[in-house]
Amino acid sequence: EDKVVQSPLSLVVHEGDTVTLNCSYEVTNFRSLLWYKQEKKAPTFLFMLTSSGIEKKSGRLSSILDKKELFSILNITATQTGDSAIYLCAVEMEYGNKLVFGAGTILRVKS
Amino acid sequence: GAVVSQHPSRVICKSGTSVKIECRSLDFQATTMFWYRQFPKQSLMLMATSNEGSKATYEQGVEKDKFLINHASLTLSTLTVTSAHPEDSSFYICSARGLTGELFFGEGSRLTVL
Repeated sequence: EDKVVQSPLSLVVHEGDTVTLNCSYEVTNFRSLLWYKQEKKAPTFLFMLTSSGIEKKSGRLSSILDKKELFSILNITATQTGDSAIYLCAVEMEYGNKLVFGAGTILRVKS
Repeated sequence: GAVVSQHPSRVICKSGTSVKIECRSLDFQATTMFWYRQFPKQSLMLMATSNEGSKATYEQGVEKDKFLINHASLTLSTLTVTSAHPEDSSFYICSARGLTGELFFGEGSRLTVL
């Protein structure tokens, strides 16, 4: 059975801290791994990773994929209260194009 | 950029009634759309893959007679929750793949069944 596991399930940090969110997966027919941020409504896209070892960056956020060890991390540096959200990791399948989501990590950044 | 619109954003209905949720791709054609369900503080669970012009593909454990999906055009998919019950109360989200392959989500529809 395809599965995506995220850790930790929740995290509370102070502004300015750096956080690392983890995502491991066991799926057949891997195509890509995606990270989303979900606040009140629908998830918003952060990164799509398809190749190992290539870091993707967007401002204070960065992510990298290890296809050998089957995991990805999402880093957020200098956290701000606006970073508080649920961060979802999803794996896209090669066939059918469907996504399997992890349970998410609830991040709360305290001022 | 590509936008996916979902309607209604919030609906309250009585037990036993049916509710229809629409998902539209506003500036691109989507041959495939996906319907997800999300319970509070939980992740998105894929319910079904909606294919334009053909039957939807349902995930294991999802009742196809309960959750009717119609993808009549390249820009519209609908999810109808038939004979809704309180346990069907949830957040339903659709997504569609844009021209560049990126997946875009609708704003979601919160269903409350009384």
